[in-house]
Amino acid sequence: EAGVAQSPRYKIIEKRQSVAFWCNPISGHATLYWYQQILGQGPKLLIQFQNNGVVDDSQLPKDRFSAERLKGVDSTLKIQPAKLEDSAVYLCASSLRLNTEAFFGQGTRLTVV
Amino acid sequence: EDQVTQSPEALRLQEGESSSLNCSYTVSGLRGLFWYRQDPGKGPEFLFTLYSAGEEKEKERLKATLTKKESFLHITAPKPEDSATYLCAVSPPGAQKLVFGQGTRLTINP
Repeated sequence: EAGVAQSPRYKIIEKRQSVAFWCNPISGHATLYWYQQILGQGPKLLIQFQNNGVVDDSQLPKDRFSAERLKGVDSTLKIQPAKLEDSAVYLCASSLRLNTEAFFGQGTRLTVV
Repeated sequence: EDQVTQSPEALRLQEGESSSLNCSYTVSGLRGLFWYRQDPGKGPEFLFTLYSAGEEKEKERLKATLTKKESFLHITAPKPEDSATYLCAVSPPGAQKLVFGQGTRLTINP
């Protein structure tokens, strides 16, 4: 079974630039998550989708971050404009349904300079 | 606010030296507790799900247990390849999301 696919693996941008990350979840998984993980910390939930709809985006900085999940499958997370403190690993995960184990992709390491 | 606290932050053991990692939570009415392993440069890898106090799960040298306020990840006779960061996460009632602790960085010396 194919896992969660994310791209790119690495990205370096200057502050105030924009960046987008892509995620393809495990086939059939209704729930999709985007997490931010700063070095040395646990993952922090940014946004959670159930099929096409947003379940939780309470910790998403909406002035600069946006996310969408098209047709309940792939998802993109965008940052515009980026700040230095956005440097982190962005993890995408999916689960069969709510409140079940989530399976993670390899993540995208973002460096903002 | 829901809190998940893991201890210790870091643990260094000799090969074969058994120990336990702790995950405590302040959530009441837990809907699930999850353990993950994370290697450097990789995403977290799912290990176990526990749903009710008294439940136990085992996989190779790892055993996870759950009480009403905390979970333990017991590591028996660890090997160097068990070195990783171990994360626990809880699914609080009504929130329908996974809230992670900060992790325990485990190093097993040969």
